[in-house]
Amino acid sequence: EEQLLESGGDLAQPGGSLRLSCVASGFSFFRYAMSWVRQAPGQGLEWVAFISTTSTNIQYAETVKGRFTVSRDNSKNTLYLYMNSLRDEDTAIYYCARETPYMDIWGEGTTVTVSS
Amino acid sequence: EIVLTQSPGTVSLSPGERATLSCRASQSVSSGSLAWYQQKLGQAPRLLIYGASSRATGIPDRFSGSGSGTDFTLTISRLEPEDFAVYYCQYYGALPLFIFGPGTKVDIK
Repeated sequence: EEQLLESGGDLAQPGGSLRLSCVASGFSFFRYAMSWVRQAPGQGLEWVAFISTTSTNIQYAETVKGRFTVSRDNSKNTLYLYMNSLRDEDTAIYYCARETPYMDIWGEGTTVTVSS
Repeated sequence: EIVLTQSPGTVSLSPGERATLSCRASQSVSSGSLAWYQQKLGQAPRLLIYGASSRATGIPDRFSGSGSGTDFTLTISRLEPEDFAVYYCQYYGALPLFIFGPGTKVDIK
């Protein structure tokens, strides 16, 4: 079964950092571009970051540009999101999704709460 | 930047009824770049429709998508109890790479 499993969500202070991970299984991870999407409490979906198969094309939403870094390790079937300078408005469930280019496989999400 | 508007914001229907959900883009977009997702409470989104009208793997044929240019529609021909959820349209392929609409909630009447 094709699956994605996120981890790393936690409570962080404003200005703090977190690293999210997303482990893929059941498919050839290296063949697919990936994205992170987040959902603030009670709100809609917001695309956060995109990374191509070989990490040569990386894109960010303006709301996180300069603070978040997306990367991947194809040898470990793992996608990462490094989150720095966290703000209250970064509080959300963070999902990883496989790109084909539409988002055909999603993880269950991991919760990030930014609060002092 | 393209903006997606969905209407209605919420619709209340009964099982067995037909649901018609609208997604309007602020400028013309390629039909090949329009997708629909379903999200049930407490769950991750699920891909329903891609390329405006192609059903994703395992999606029942009561779900159909149509439209072109700036106006797109998701139709659920006969609502089943499990179809009550929030539905998002999405445009992919421009910067920002992926744009989601605000969603339409389909409530049980």
